[in-house]
Amino acid sequence: QLQLQESGPGLVKPSETLSLTCIVSGGSISNSPDYWGWIRQPPGNGLEWIGSIYYSGKTYYNPSLKSRVTTSVDTSNNQFSLKLSSVTAADTAVYYCARLSWLVPRNWGQGTLVTVSS
Amino acid sequence: QSALTQPRSVSGSPGQSVTISCTGTSSDVGGYNHVSWYQQHPGKAPKLMIYDVSKRPSGVPDRFSGSKSGSTASLTISGLQAEDEADYHCCSFAGSYAVFGGGTKLTVL
Repeated sequence: QLQLQESGPGLVKPSETLSLTCIVSGGSISNSPDYWGWIRQPPGNGLEWIGSIYYSGKTYYNPSLKSRVTTSVDTSNNQFSLKLSSVTAADTAVYYCARLSWLVPRNWGQGTLVTVSS
Repeated sequence: QSALTQPRSVSGSPGQSVTISCTGTSSDVGGYNHVSWYQQHPGKAPKLMIYDVSKRPSGVPDRFSGSKSGSTASLTISGLQAEDEADYHCCSFAGSYAVFGGGTKLTVL
């Protein structure tokens, strides 16, 4: 059964770069026809699609976040990553990684809270 | 891009049916049959309930059904149960990204 697990710092300072990694188990990133992506949910708010990556490195990003988002993939370790630069308090959220089909989430990680504060 | 439009809240009594709408445009919901619905209980990750407009993953009760008309997708829950009380989110493919609705809180009276 496919499982995804987010990892990374829970606290990031304003103006710095948020970095998260998602480790995939129970399936191979490079053998999947699907994309892998990131979604976030600010406290008390709805979900926001951030971006995605294919095992080949092809990416798609939310137009509103595109200037600050970078995703990468490490097929040898079956994991993918998110970097969000120049963070502010508005980037405080639970960040989820997911397996995507047609860029729409199918399987979700449990989520990790990232707080932006000095 | 704009988020899909969902009602902020809906409610129903046990045993009744409720329908949650998700309205987009011809660039997302209306243009593709890749709309999913998720159930989210407090403090938990979203759970996939419907994908590709009307398909149910294994393990999801057939009380949950999805449909689409034009640029509006709908999730119908029949035979409401107490454990159905949760937030529900829709999401649609939009060509080169995906877009979520604002979420709907379902209250079981």
